[in-house]
Amino acid sequence: QVQLQESGPGLVKPSQTLSLTCTVSGGSISSGDYYWSWIRQPPGKGLEWIGYIYYSGSTYYNPSLKSRVTISVDTSKNQFSLKLSSVTAADTAVYYCAREYSSTPSYYMDVWGKGTTVTVSS
Amino acid sequence: QSVLTQPPSVSAAPGQKVTISCSGSSSNIGNNYVSWYQQLPGTAPKLLIYDNNKRPSGIPDRFSGSKSGTSATLGITGLQTGDEADYYCGTWDSSLSAGGVFGGGTKLTVL
Repeated sequence: QVQLQESGPGLVKPSQTLSLTCTVSGGSISSGDYYWSWIRQPPGKGLEWIGYIYYSGSTYYNPSLKSRVTISVDTSKNQFSLKLSSVTAADTAVYYCAREYSSTPSYYMDVWGKGTTVTVSS
Repeated sequence: QSVLTQPPSVSAAPGQKVTISCSGSSSNIGNNYVSWYQQLPGTAPKLLIYDNNKRPSGIPDRFSGSKSGTSATLGITGLQTGDEADYYCGTWDSSLSAGGVFGGGTKLTVL
């Protein structure tokens, strides 16, 4: 079955860019039936959807983060990545990658990575 | 503040039934299907219910979902101590601030 694994630095300095990668195994990122998304969860708080990418490269971002977010895909490596610029302490969170099904009116995330903790601190 | 509104906490005794509500608007729950996620302590969320009331393979029928208008409900019967977790509802919001949205989460305590 499809599995997702996040990787990247656990500590990022304020004002710098957070970069994470999600590796997909057990299936192809180019299957076409799904989108590939990032979700985050600040300590002790709820889930926040960051955005998604389709294997073709088309993206959709949370309007509140859109100016700082870039999600990209590398189909040859079966990976997709997140970049969040100009980070502050408010960006400290567990970051999850997930497989997302989106075909109106149906919408859900059926496979999640285990999550990776990113702390923004000098 | 979350787009979808959930009660912060609910509790019930083992073997009992509990419901968790999720309230939204016409731009989200009113026109899209709802999903529910279970997050056990220290773990990633897990899909529990999708398309309002469907269960993925492996999810016991003790878990059920329903939707009416702009609200949705997760029901859990035969509560077990292992059900203690945070539960989140989610859907797509089609407003000007469109995107995936979640409720603030509900902490279930099995007394």
